[in-house]
This record gives sequence, C-alpha cells and structure tokens, in this order.
Amino acid sequence: GESVGLHLPTLSVQEGDNSIINCAYSNSASDYFIWYKQESGKGPQFIIDIRSNMDKRQGQRVTVLLNKTVKHLSLQIAATQPGDSAVYFCAENTGGFKTIFGAGTRLFVKA
Amino acid sequence: ETGVTQTPRHLVMGMTNKKSLKCEQHLGHNAMYWYKQSAKKPLELMFVYNFKEQTENNSVPSRFSPECPNSSHLFLHLHTLQPEDSALYLCASSQSSRGGGYNEQFFGPGTRLTVL
Repeated sequence: GESVGLHLPTLSVQEGDNSIINCAYSNSASDYFIWYKQESGKGPQFIIDIRSNMDKRQGQRVTVLLNKTVKHLSLQIAATQPGDSAVYFCAENTGGFKTIFGAGTRLFVKA
Repeated sequence: ETGVTQTPRHLVMGMTNKKSLKCEQHLGHNAMYWYKQSAKKPLELMFVYNFKEQTENNSVPSRFSPECPNSSHLFLHLHTLQPEDSALYLCASSQSSRGGGYNEQFFGPGTRLTVL
C-alpha cells in the first residue's frame, strides 16, 4: 500500500511579518528546551535553547517563550525573511545526552 | 558548514548488502550521535558515544551496528536491512564532559538511505 508521511503543521507568513511557532512538550522533568531549523537537504541547525528556570530568552531576531504550567514552548521570529523558510523542530532534554524531538512545523515565507 | 561531515550523502542498497555510513567532526567534540529521520516519525535518537564509549542505545535493532574508533569519527555498519529502514541518517556531535549532560548539538547533512 501507499506509505503515508508525517503530516507537518504548516505556517505561512508574509515576508516582513512576525512568525510564531508553537510546541507542546510532554515531560515535566525536562530541563532544556531547544529549537532547531532544518532546510531542505541539510541537517537540523540549532537556533536557540532555554533552560527550565527561565521563561523567556532572546537571540538574534528570535525569542523563545516557555510556559511550564501548560508545557508549552514557542519560537517567535521577527521580520520573517524568505531564508527563514524551513521546518522548525522543538526538542526537550532532561539534562543528559537524550534529546527528544517533536514532529516539526513547516514555515513558508511569501515574498 | 557545521563542521560535521557525512559520507556517502546517498546510498541505495539491497536487503542482503553490507554497507557503512561514516561521520567525521572537526569541532573537537567528545560526544557523537546517530539519529534516524524518516517520513513517518519525528527525529529518533539511535546511539550516543561519549569519549568513545557507548552511552545510549535506543532499542535499535542489531542490524545497525555503531562504531566509534575515536572522538572524531563515528560509523554505522548496516547489514540485512529492511525497506522500512529507508530514511535519512543524521550524525551529530557536541561538547561533553565525562559525566555527560546537555550541550548544543551540531548536525551533519545526513545520508539518504534507500533499502530495496
């Protein structure tokens, strides 16, 4: 039979607008939360991480927000550019080597 | 470039073949990882090596056999694979201490494996 791929949520934004990608995590014991970007034909690339004792962290054009009460993580990208088009993964880690990745969100940026 | 290279980039093999994937990192890291990325599942950790010692085996079938001869090189030996093993196999590395712990991982571009 025909194989079915993983259905990724998709976010489509206009160039210059802000993007918000959301993620729900499962393990209340997770201590680190990470966002990765994966472009076509490449491996995942680290964007930003946040530790569980923080609720906000900012990088260059990106902000990660952590809400431990509802186990929710978000990535905000300011002034989204065509080069931001990619699949974005959230991931969680309890402080060891094992990082658990989410399914990903596909971001399309319209010029 | 991330400092992590993988060869080959593409591999097609039959179910009775034996092949190996190679990963090399030029970042001075001591932890190296194998991940599987398939169309049906999120990125899955397979193996972790820290200072050349295996620290994680995520219930991976024995037809996948990792080897870490030194902290810069990681291999994944493949034999008697199944069509459902077709996927993108990603290598990553990170800084680490002997006690382990979370550190940012740097990924290679992956090997696209097709098992016929």
